[in-house]
Amino acid sequence: QSVLTQPPSASGTPGQRVTISCSGSSSNVGINPVNWYQQLPGTAPKLLIYSNSQRPSGVPDRFSGSKSGTSASLAISGLQSEDEAEYYCASWDDTLKGLFGGGTKLTVL
Amino acid sequence: QVQLQESGPGLVKPSQTLSLTCTVSGGSISNSNFYWSWIRQHPGKGLEWIGYIYYSGSTYYNPSLKSRLTISLDTSKNQFSLKLTSVTAADTAVYYCARSNYYDSILLDYWGQGSLVTVSS
Repeated sequence: QSVLTQPPSASGTPGQRVTISCSGSSSNVGINPVNWYQQLPGTAPKLLIYSNSQRPSGVPDRFSGSKSGTSASLAISGLQSEDEAEYYCASWDDTLKGLFGGGTKLTVL
Repeated sequence: QVQLQESGPGLVKPSQTLSLTCTVSGGSISNSNFYWSWIRQHPGKGLEWIGYIYYSGSTYYNPSLKSRLTISLDTSKNQFSLKLTSVTAADTAVYYCARSNYYDSILLDYWGQGSLVTVSS
């Protein structure tokens, strides 16, 4: 059971907007930035969002992130079939270690 | 373009030491702006942060692995390595190396492709 809590699954149809939540605590998400990773089947994770809401070069603006208090969210608008993947949030914890959420499997129906 | 590549045995016997090396190309591991990290993923499971090393040699480990873990670097070869002692089946996982940001060490912007290590007799 991860300290950063994500829903195990999410789904949407092409063109829809979906959001994935990440719930932490005052020792991690509440005080440190949140990053999001996308892992396509059989591949290494890829940085999708950093510092709560910043997109690395090359990441479409369909992907956005936000944070409020001890929770963060990843939103994907204009859902596409290639967005079907596992999504992980991550944040540093002041118990002095890095934390990942348990992951959310996104299915495009 | 920075690239990372893990290498090492794919099969390790229980109680022995798991050793992996990450070779970095397209950038120097002596760059003070980055840490060099290891992450693992148990089969069908989520990601677990293992630890990181800085170019100076300073390290930071996951407390749950600290007693068995050593991360080191070889700047002459632009490589860093992981050693995990006294392994059990619970250490079977895909091991990733990655570059992380100095100001946010869980901001991992470049990853290796991963190396599956199976612990079995």
